[in-house]
Amino acid sequence: QKEVEQNSGPLSVPEGAIASLNCTYSDRGSQSFFWYRQYSGKSPELIMSIYSNGDKEDGRFTAQLNKASQYVSLLIRDSQPSDSATYLCAVSVGRSQGNLIFGKGTKLSVKP
Amino acid sequence: NAGVMQNPRHLVRRRGQEARLRCSPMKGHSHVYWYRQLPEEGLKFMVYLQKENIIDESGMPKERFSAEFPKEGPSILRIQQVVRGDSAAYFCASSPKEDTQYFGPGTRLTVL
Repeated sequence: QKEVEQNSGPLSVPEGAIASLNCTYSDRGSQSFFWYRQYSGKSPELIMSIYSNGDKEDGRFTAQLNKASQYVSLLIRDSQPSDSATYLCAVSVGRSQGNLIFGKGTKLSVKP
Repeated sequence: NAGVMQNPRHLVRRRGQEARLRCSPMKGHSHVYWYRQLPEEGLKFMVYLQKENIIDESGMPKERFSAEFPKEGPSILRIQQVVRGDSAAYFCASSPKEDTQYFGPGTRLTVL
């Protein structure tokens, strides 16, 4: 059974702090890794994609991938109350790599 | 550039009826994916389609569920003889190739 594990939270950080979200996955054949944000009652919104080991930065967001440890993380710098949402880690699996396995998400709360 | 479009946004059906959910991918995207999100659960992959082809249907229930993506027109997810357990949010995503998936707003199905 291919799995993606995330801490469910809630993770609470003060405004302006760094939020750190973590994810582990079980399928060593996975090639593509994604972070999505989902506000309550809304659809997932893509934040970052990462395909190779190391860090990838985009504005206030940094994704980190370590394939040897089967670990993906997302750092949010200068957290804002508007960042309060559930963050979903998704990993591609299967021969086509079109099948994304999602974690159950980490709920982030940024306190003003 | 319009995003992924889904309709209807809300659908109410009585047990035993059929539900048809439609998805129009983003312009230039030929890959479509369907996911289901049960209340308080994570997103679950159902099926991956390209024009006129099913690429991966490993997440589709064996009975009552079918999907198509015809040469012309939207992708359709069809649920026959709906039961209460089918009540969920159904999300469609699209991508230009086997890569980053962009999600539509979803269809909330309620079975009475």
